[in-house]
Amino acid sequence: AQSVSQHNHHVILSEAASLELGCNYSYGGTVNLFWYVQYPGQHLQLLLKYFSGDPLVKGIKGFEAEFIKSKFSFNLRKPSVQWSDTAEYFCAVSSFKTIFGAGTRLFVKA
Amino acid sequence: SQTIHQWPATLVQPVGSPLSLECTVEGTSNPNLYWYRQAAGRGLQLLFYSVGIGQISSEVPQNLSASRPQDRQFILSSKKLLLSDSGFYLCAWSVKGLTNEKLFFGSGTQLSVL
Repeated sequence: AQSVSQHNHHVILSEAASLELGCNYSYGGTVNLFWYVQYPGQHLQLLLKYFSGDPLVKGIKGFEAEFIKSKFSFNLRKPSVQWSDTAEYFCAVSSFKTIFGAGTRLFVKA
Repeated sequence: SQTIHQWPATLVQPVGSPLSLECTVEGTSNPNLYWYRQAAGRGLQLLFYSVGIGQISSEVPQNLSASRPQDRQFILSSKKLLLSDSGFYLCAWSVKGLTNEKLFFGSGTQLSVL
């Protein structure tokens, strides 16, 4: 069965700090990988996705994620966070259904 | 363009009462449809998904059920609500294919069972 594990439930950073949110998944077949973000008071929205090809994918707002097949990982990174990045971030894995991780709440101090 | 409607936005129900949350999708046909529950610290839990009319898959045993009476309509129900049914419920859809593309989410329903 598919499962997704996010390593940190809460992360607090100062502006300009670098960010890396861990995500590991469990599934034996071909998967699509996603990061979704939910800003305070807003809908869940797609941040970036990996289907195939270059394992380093770039998303909106300067985010990127790297798919490492051997580690079953899809970590999210941003070199320099901003206060506006305060949000909850969800890693997701999809084959014929999409399974989400528990989420990581990021708070960026101005 | 495609849109997804979910209602009501907020609902307060007593324990033991029935529940019906409705979700409709416009601008697409034959979508995959999903019900998720978002709880603090537990992320998004997949409750049900449907690949077609009358086809419902349940992910976790629970007090809830789902139905898809029409292609673009997905209903979440309960005959008798429990306190533990409180949470934020999200409907979502995706384009049907061998593997799913991204999900499009509704605005959610905050259910409080008292």
